[in-house]
Amino acid sequence: DTGVSQNPRHKITKRGQNVTFRCDPISEHNRLYWYRQTLGQGPEFLTYFQNEAQLEKSRLLSDRFSAERPKGSFSTLEIQRTEQGDSAMYLCASSLGGGQGEYGYTFGSGTRLTVV
Amino acid sequence: TQLLEQSPQFLSIQEGENLTVYCNSSSVFSSLQWYRQEPGEGPVLLVTVVTGGEVKKLKRLTFQFGDARKDSSLHITAAQPGDTGLYLCAGLYNFNKFYFGSGTKLNVKP
Repeated sequence: DTGVSQNPRHKITKRGQNVTFRCDPISEHNRLYWYRQTLGQGPEFLTYFQNEAQLEKSRLLSDRFSAERPKGSFSTLEIQRTEQGDSAMYLCASSLGGGQGEYGYTFGSGTRLTVV
Repeated sequence: TQLLEQSPQFLSIQEGENLTVYCNSSSVFSSLQWYRQEPGEGPVLLVTVVTGGEVKKLKRLTFQFGDARKDSSLHITAAQPGDTGLYLCAGLYNFNKFYFGSGTKLNVKP
């Protein structure tokens, strides 16, 4: 399977707990992105990596959110002290960087987070 | 801030009808992509357009990028129930990440 893999698919957690999601990108892709999608909206950019370097973080990414991509392979997104407003689908995508954007994203199936 | 506005938000049509959905912005994009998303899944890339005025066809789907690279349209001919889904446009800004519109939710009834 050469697609983007995200785990877990679903996560239900109590408010205040910490959660961590994992994304395994396509191995040839040097860029990895995290997006968040709420019901009825398009995906919103959170952060992206080129290889192991985190190049940009959205203002949406509060101090409770942290992302890593050790060794430029898989990535993790951690949310500390979850709040109900964090409930959303968290999408990971990978792509070949550079060019004029002719390389599209390959998205994973997402992790659906529900904070109760 | 929504850089990309999509219209209509919802569209419900009968099988066999034609439709057009629109993606508009006041910003110029380096490239624009269209994705289709089904419930509970990630978006799947349909097409990338890079040149102003470019038209691409994918079977019954026709994509057009505006001359000024600020807008795009997706036209579907003879829609089928399998076309049902959320259609998202995404514009490349500053050559590093794509911004997505809110999507057009299409329902094609048999």
